[in-house]
Amino acid sequence: GQQLNQSPQSMFIQEGEDVSMNCTSSSIFNTWLWYKQDPGEGPVLLIALYKAGELTSNGRLTAQFGITRKDSFLNISASIPSDVGIYFCAAASSNTGKLIFGQGTTLQVKP
Amino acid sequence: DGGITQSPKYLFRKEGQNVTLSCEQNLNHDAMYWYRQDPGQGLRLIYYSQIVNDFQKGDIAEGYSVSREKKESFPLTVTSAQKNPTAFYLCASRYSRRGDQPQHFGDGTRLSIL
Repeated sequence: GQQLNQSPQSMFIQEGEDVSMNCTSSSIFNTWLWYKQDPGEGPVLLIALYKAGELTSNGRLTAQFGITRKDSFLNISASIPSDVGIYFCAAASSNTGKLIFGQGTTLQVKP
Repeated sequence: DGGITQSPKYLFRKEGQNVTLSCEQNLNHDAMYWYRQDPGQGLRLIYYSQIVNDFQKGDIAEGYSVSREKKESFPLTVTSAQKNPTAFYLCASRYSRRGDQPQHFGDGTRLSIL
C-alpha cells in the first residue's frame, strides 16, 4: 500500500538553529500537507501544497512539493522554544481527501 | 467560534463494552474523518464520510462503527470486537467541494482500558 517515509524521526537542536525534515514515497500524490501536533492535542495545519514544484512559506516555515510529486520537505528557520512538538507530513492522491501520514518528526529545542 | 469539538477528552472502557466518541463540527464541512494515533506512529484512517448518510471504511475499520445522520456530527463507536482500543482518536473535517481544501482536526479523545 501507499506509505510515507518521514525523516528524521527526532531532532534535538539549539535555539536559533535551522531545521529541515522531509517525506518521501514511491507513490505519486496530488496534495502534500504539513501539520504540527502538541502533546495531547490535535494536529494543526502549517502549510498546504497543491502543485508539483510549489514552494510556500508561512512565517519562519517553508515547504516544497517535490517536482516528481513523490516527496516534500519542511524547513524551519531560526528555531524558538515554542517550535517544540511533533511534525507530520501527509499526502493525498484522490478527491476523497483521504490522507496518508508520515510517522512524524519529534522536535526538541534547547533554549 | 467555528471548529471541531471532540468529547469526551478522556474515556475509559471496560472489557466487553462498546463506547462512543463524539465529533461535532460547525464549519459547514461536507467530509468528516476518524483517525487512530498510537505512540510513535502516524495517524491511521478508521472511517470517513463524504456526505450525510454515507461512509466508507478506512485502513483499520475492524472493530469500529460510525454513523452520519447529520452533516455536523460523525460519532465513532469502538466495539468490544476491537481488542486493542487504547489509543488517541482524532476527528477531522474538510470542505470537500473544492479539491484544494485540507483537513482540520479536533483536539482528540484518549481512550484507555480499565
